[in-house]
Amino acid sequence: AQTVTQSQPEMSVQEAETVTLSCTYDTSESDYYLFWYKQPPSRQMILVIRQEAYKQQNATENRFSVNFQKAAKSFSLKISDSQLGDAAMYFCAYQEYGNKLVFGAGTILRVKS
Amino acid sequence: EPEVTQTPSHQVTQMGQEVILRCVPISNHLYFYWYRQILGQKVEFLVSFYNNEISEKSEIFDDQFSVERPDGSNFTLKIRSTKLEDSAMYFCASSEGYGNGEQYFGPGTRLTVT
Repeated sequence: AQTVTQSQPEMSVQEAETVTLSCTYDTSESDYYLFWYKQPPSRQMILVIRQEAYKQQNATENRFSVNFQKAAKSFSLKISDSQLGDAAMYFCAYQEYGNKLVFGAGTILRVKS
Repeated sequence: EPEVTQTPSHQVTQMGQEVILRCVPISNHLYFYWYRQILGQKVEFLVSFYNNEISEKSEIFDDQFSVERPDGSNFTLKIRSTKLEDSAMYFCASSEGYGNGEQYFGPGTRLTVT
């Protein structure tokens, strides 16, 4: 079964600084999607960024970018110019096409002003 | 922008009672999912649904659980006889098609079983 591991239970970053959240996964498939979801205190699940495994280019969305290392099965999220509103739980998730999402345990991100 | 909606936002029920959680997926989406998140834990898959059938279900989704698409818009999760350990946030999600990848989540229903 596919597994997703987030080794950092909690991270802190100073406002305007950069922080990287780590994620590794285990799969024998070659085609899949990877996602980062943000969960603020409201507990809404908000999609931050996604990466298709067949694309070598790393996805970016404004201040959010990923470092996708397929061979290493690593998918880290970089948040640049951190803002107070970025404080939340961040979940890494794996998906085979059309199937369920498999989530990691999450990383709590605290942003200090 | 289209969004997934869920009702109620918070449901309190007594142990042994039946509850129905309701979801309205995005109108042109074909794949529907239920996930749950026990407080402080990760989000877990319960069931996926396509073409009026369950596509996949997890070990959590036992005989106490059922899903239904009673009309063209609603997608429901029924828990027949709730237990204390069913207390969790339940998320509905939908996606446009197989291989599209992105699942859109509703705001969740917090279920509290007393």
